[in-house]
Amino acid sequence: DTAVSQTPKYLVTQMGNDKSIKCEQNLGHDTMYWYKQDSKKFLKIMFSYNNKELIINETVPNRFSPKSPDKAHLNLHINSLELGDSAVYFCASSQTPGHRNQPQHFGDGTRLSIL
Amino acid sequence: GNSVTQMEGPVTLSEEAFLTINCTYTATGYPSLFWYVQYPGEGLQLLLKATKADDKGSNKGFEATYRKETTSFHLEKGSVQVSDSAVYFCALSTTGNQFYFGTGTSLTVIP
Repeated sequence: DTAVSQTPKYLVTQMGNDKSIKCEQNLGHDTMYWYKQDSKKFLKIMFSYNNKELIINETVPNRFSPKSPDKAHLNLHINSLELGDSAVYFCASSQTPGHRNQPQHFGDGTRLSIL
Repeated sequence: GNSVTQMEGPVTLSEEAFLTINCTYTATGYPSLFWYVQYPGEGLQLLLKATKADDKGSNKGFEATYRKETTSFHLEKGSVQVSDSAVYFCALSTTGNQFYFGTGTSLTVIP
């Protein structure tokens, strides 16, 4: 009964390729997020969607494009992968914005390695 | 602006030692405060939270008190175990549910 699930768990690919990571949550949450964690464990917010609408879009290369087909899914597509994209990408979800005491729930991460 | 500052790691302790991981914050308004734990190869899990000043969050022997006067939310545990080895993140949430995470503190507990 995984609450936030991401696929794939591991992704190894060549520089220049295009890849997608999928995320689904079964918690009934309205808001979903993508984070990037580097090798030093630093966590950086990339995007946030509320009810399929983009609400946070940090300074991220436009090679990264999120897509939310419905409020339970938030996918991340990456074009023209570069060496610096190697990281762990985490999906998270939370209740409706405005409820500041609601925690975020995280998936187990997708470990992306660029060769 | 909003931000979270955590003590730098890594921290190495012997089993049964006392743990403190410092966390201070800067925020507009009245944030909620959280500690998350990340075990090797896993995602972040909520450890505890506090939503207003003087609240104490606690879970699995860990505690943290929301101190508005010192803008702090230090994590403590009286007796750590090997299984507590992980990376710990302090975070705050503001109106609009935007989260701000600290840089994480790696803890290793040796037998």
